[in-house]
Amino acid sequence: GIQVEQSPPDLILQEGANSTLRCNFSDSVNNLQWFHQNPWGQLINLFYIPSGTKQNGRLSATTVATERYSLLYISSSQTTDSGVYFCAVRVYNNDMRFGAGTRLTVKP
Amino acid sequence: DAGVIQSPRHEVTEMGQEVTLRCKPISGHDYLFWYRQTMMRGLELLIYFNNNVPIDDSGMPEDRFSAKMPNASFSTLKIQPSEPRDSAVYFCASTPVSNTEAFFGQGTRLTVV
Repeated sequence: GIQVEQSPPDLILQEGANSTLRCNFSDSVNNLQWFHQNPWGQLINLFYIPSGTKQNGRLSATTVATERYSLLYISSSQTTDSGVYFCAVRVYNNDMRFGAGTRLTVKP
Repeated sequence: DAGVIQSPRHEVTEMGQEVTLRCKPISGHDYLFWYRQTMMRGLELLIYFNNNVPIDDSGMPEDRFSAKMPNASFSTLKIQPSEPRDSAVYFCASTPVSNTEAFFGQGTRLTVV
């Protein structure tokens, strides 16, 4: 099956810093999403981005499907950005596979 | 729509007991997924349904686990008998028929003692 690798596994930032999270996948995909799991365990949808670039406030994401990777940018990080960020991919209408996540800690 | 609804939010049970987790997908969504999350294994896909039919249950760990979707608005995941190693957070998610955004429920935290 398709493999999804996220990097880095852990990231510690000072409030106000910027960061880039990466998601590599082993095969062509038709669907890619980024999620944020907050400290209460909820999986929050950030982006549905099978290709191209999207922005939502301080967050933006870019997927280069032909090169099999996606990037999540967080600018001017805040303590509320802490949590685990997951990338999930799907091929056509098949199952959705998750990476292991990047654990982000933003310190005040 | 209220989103994907899971119940209960927390479940504590004794080893050997039967446990049933419930999920109501978003209305109109044709795909339903059950995931299990643990520290060791991350988010694992257990089973998914399309139009109430199980498509892939290769992620179901053992015969103790079973899942059903009797209609488009309800699914259950049952563990019988439960064991301490089944302790995890179980998530349900749904997507529309087209290959678009998936939405997750708030999860059920299961503790088997």
